[in-house]
Amino acid sequence: DVKVTQSSRYLVKRTGEKVFLECVQDMDHENMFWYRQDPGLGLRLIYFSYDVKMKEKGDIPEGYSVSREKKERFSLILESASTNQTSMYLCASIPKLSSGNEQFFGPGTRLTVL
Amino acid sequence: AQSVTQPDIHITVSEGASLELRCNYSYGATPYLFWYVQSPGQGLQLLLKYFSGDTLVQGIKGFEAEFKRSQSSFNLRKPSVHWSDAAEYFCAVGTGFQKLVFGTGTRLLVSP
Repeated sequence: DVKVTQSSRYLVKRTGEKVFLECVQDMDHENMFWYRQDPGLGLRLIYFSYDVKMKEKGDIPEGYSVSREKKERFSLILESASTNQTSMYLCASIPKLSSGNEQFFGPGTRLTVL
Repeated sequence: AQSVTQPDIHITVSEGASLELRCNYSYGATPYLFWYVQSPGQGLQLLLKYFSGDTLVQGIKGFEAEFKRSQSSFNLRKPSVHWSDAAEYFCAVGTGFQKLVFGTGTRLLVSP
C-alpha cells in the first residue's frame, strides 16, 4: 500500500513565524502536491513538483514556497505565517507513469495561526 | 478552464435509505473523474474512478457512479446508507499533468 505521511496532525503557530510542513511518501512517486482545504472551497492546489528540485505553482501559491531535495519528501513553507493561512493542509503523490490521475493523500495537517 | 460543481453543501439521509450525490464537471476533453471520501479528521480516500469504457463504475464500500457525457455529470450513488458513511465527499476531474480539480464537497449526515 502507498503510504503518505505528514509530520504533524495539528500545529499551532503565531503570526510572523516561519512554518514547515513535511510530507513523505514511501512508494517512489515522482509527482507530489500540496493542497489547502477550507470549508466551502474544497481543495485548492498550492504547489506541485514533478521531480527532485522541480516545482510548479498551483492555483494559490501566494505566501507559500516549497522544497523538494529528495524524491520522497516535499516540504511546504510559510515564510511568515498569517491568520488567513489557518487551514487544513493535505499532501498527495502519484507516480509519473500512472495511467490516470489517482492521487494518494496523507492524513492532513490542521494548522492554526494565532 | 476545468471546474467541478457539487451543488449540495449538506445532505441528510436516513440510515438504510438510498443516496445520490451530484457532480457536474466542465472539461474540454474526455475526462478522468473521481470520487473521494474524507472521514472526520482524515485525509482523502479514493472511492472510485472513471477513465473510459463502461459508464457505470463500481467502487469500494458499495458505492457506484455513472458517467453521463451528455449531462456532464458523474453522480455518486449507494442503495442503502450506513451510519459509517457520514463523511465529506469530493468529486474531482483530472486535468493535464496529472493534476486534479476538486469540487467544494458535499457533507453527508446520516440520521438514525
